[in-house]
Amino acid sequence: EAQVTQNPRYLITVTGKKLTVTCSQNMNHEYMSWYRQDPGLGLRQIYYSMNVEVTDKGDVPEGYKVSRKEKRNFPLILESPSPNQTSLYFCASSSHEGLGSPLHFGNGTRLTVT
Amino acid sequence: GENVEQHPSTLSVQEGDSAVIKCTYSDSASNYFPWYKQELGKRPQLIIDIRSNVGEKKDQRIAVTLNKTAKHFSLHITETQPEDSAVYFCAATLYSSASKIIFGSGTRLSIRP
Repeated sequence: EAQVTQNPRYLITVTGKKLTVTCSQNMNHEYMSWYRQDPGLGLRQIYYSMNVEVTDKGDVPEGYKVSRKEKRNFPLILESPSPNQTSLYFCASSSHEGLGSPLHFGNGTRLTVT
Repeated sequence: GENVEQHPSTLSVQEGDSAVIKCTYSDSASNYFPWYKQELGKRPQLIIDIRSNVGEKKDQRIAVTLNKTAKHFSLHITETQPEDSAVYFCAATLYSSASKIIFGSGTRLSIRP
C-alpha cells in the first residue's frame, strides 16, 4: 500500500531533550516536506526537500533540522525542544511532476514539550 | 512574502445546502491550487485540485473555480452531507526550482442535520 509513515504518533518530552521524528514513504517520491499544525494557523511548512541531499527552509524552520540521505526517508530533528514546539506535525511527500501534484500526508505526530 | 488568505474560518450550513470557501493568493506566479479535507483526528487528504491553465474543475458534488486575474479560487460543495463536516485547507504553490507550498488557515465546515 502506498503510504507515508510517521513515528511516533504521540510524543511527550521535556525541554532540551533531543528528539527525532521519523518519516518514510514507499512511493519513490522526490519531494518531501514537514509541516506543523497549530489552531488558527493552518499548516506551516518547516523544511522541504526536492531530492536526496537537497533540503531548504520553509516558513518556520527555527529550532528544527532535517536530513535527506535516502530518497524514502526524511527525519525531523529537534536538537533542543522548547514548549513553543508543542504542536501536531505532519510529514508529506509528492511526486513533483509537471505543473504540480498532490501531497500525501502521514498520520501525524502529536508532540508535547513540557 | 507569499500569502494565502482563506475565508470564512468557520461555516455552518444546513444539510442539503451548498457551501462555498474562498481563498486569495498573493504570488501571481502560483500555478497549482489543491484543496485538502481534514476530518477530526485524521491527516489532510486531497479532495480536488486545479492548475493555472484551467478555470474550473468539477468532481461529483465538489467543484473548484480559479480566477487568475483576481488571484482567487473557491471550493464549492453542493448537496452537503454530514460526512462533509471537516476542516478544509486551500493551498497555492509554485513548482519551480524553489518549490514551496503555502496553505490557507483552514475553514471548519459543520453540516447541520
